[in-house]
Amino acid sequence: GDQVEQSPSALSLHEGTDSALRCNFTTTMRSVQWFRQNSRGSLISLFYLASGTKENGRLKSAFDSKERRYSTLHIRDAQLEDSGTYFCAAEPYGNEKITFGAGTKLTIKP
Amino acid sequence: DMKVTQMPRYLIKRMGENVLLECGQDMSHETMYWYRQDPGLGLQLIYISYDVDSNSEGDIPKGYRVSRKKREHFSLILDSAKTNQTSVYFCASSSGLGLQNTLYFGAGTRLSVL
Repeated sequence: GDQVEQSPSALSLHEGTDSALRCNFTTTMRSVQWFRQNSRGSLISLFYLASGTKENGRLKSAFDSKERRYSTLHIRDAQLEDSGTYFCAAEPYGNEKITFGAGTKLTIKP
Repeated sequence: DMKVTQMPRYLIKRMGENVLLECGQDMSHETMYWYRQDPGLGLQLIYISYDVDSNSEGDIPKGYRVSRKKREHFSLILDSAKTNQTSVYFCASSSGLGLQNTLYFGAGTRLSVL
């Protein structure tokens, strides 16, 4: 939706490199969640953040705790299986409607 | 096993036909959602259900209606389908409102309206 802007829309990297995906919000958000969609279309939750950072293996996500207007997802030492489309979803204050970004299509090449 | 099941996975319909997309979950989740996914637009919320017979419009409800008669089932109905309703439809469930409750997604239904 209009409230969540993801960048870049597409990214192609070689194995072993690092990448950073970003979501900007046009309004202050209560929380954010990152998902990965694989080639079969399955959506899997990666991180939920209400503030701060979370890390899981080579993935690390951060949510700007001060302004609450952006979140990042860092992928370290990219592997082929990291390929997919990454979505962020955000929840505004005072409204339980969850808005998704348009996604970043990540392609990891050998 | 935590699972959201969508049926059918693929569907081809002609313009004007009625369409029924079904979704089931085995987690006794109160909250269920229907989204559609189109290229460049991400997932757009069609309807949200808070529990049996307690449904609310999402961002793009026009042309759709829903039915939730049992907690584990949430149906999306297209009365007289239109070609612009060709899309991939995702159902999701969670134990409550808000992102602190993990969203579990089904595998999607790819609908083509000719």
